[in-house]
Amino acid sequence: QKEVEQNSGPLSVPEGAIASLNCTYSDRVSQSFFWYRQYSGKSPELIMSIYSNGDKEDGRFTAQLNKASQYVSLLIRDSQPSDSATYLCAVTITGNQFYFGTGTSLTVIP
Amino acid sequence: DTEVTQTPKHLVMGMTNKKSLKCEQHMGHRAMYWYKQKAKKPPELMFVYSYEKLSINESVPSRFSPECPNSSLLNLHLHALQPEDSALYLCASSQDGRPLAKNIQYFGAGTRLSVL
Repeated sequence: QKEVEQNSGPLSVPEGAIASLNCTYSDRVSQSFFWYRQYSGKSPELIMSIYSNGDKEDGRFTAQLNKASQYVSLLIRDSQPSDSATYLCAVTITGNQFYFGTGTSLTVIP
Repeated sequence: DTEVTQTPKHLVMGMTNKKSLKCEQHMGHRAMYWYKQKAKKPPELMFVYSYEKLSINESVPSRFSPECPNSSLLNLHLHALQPEDSALYLCASSQDGRPLAKNIQYFGAGTRLSVL
């Protein structure tokens, strides 16, 4: 398995705050980067994908990629209790080799 | 429609049983995946099929046998499993190939397997 590491968590933030989730990866040839959200007992659902250096915004979510530093992050603005879940970073080496990070558990406190 | 359907949702089997997990998608995706997920752990890649051919086997024990009868179906045949194989088994599919922007994985709801 390729190494994909995430901040260990668990992470707790108050409602309305910004949650910051981080992911580093070891393989420099990694091509595509994804953030998935997984509620307890459910399957992962895609939040964001990012392929190029820089920021990508979608609603309250912003993904940031820095390939030189082998780092990808997810910011959740105006956090809501419904955002409480485990967030998984995923990296592809070739098009079909997806590897997941260790996951970060987020709790948004009302 | 981004639906990947897995059956059954739950499965209990003994160590001498033979069973199969099924996965189906009708999105025209040409890559299909099996993952194993233990509690509080991330999904672990097991197998990848690309255009109905096995392209990746992550050193999975032979008691797990994948099969891709056609581009919409993916099976995982189980035989002589061990209690430690109890986990959530997730199927996923993706477009495959270029452009990368389309190669997003969509997951099924999973099969929760218990081996007694």
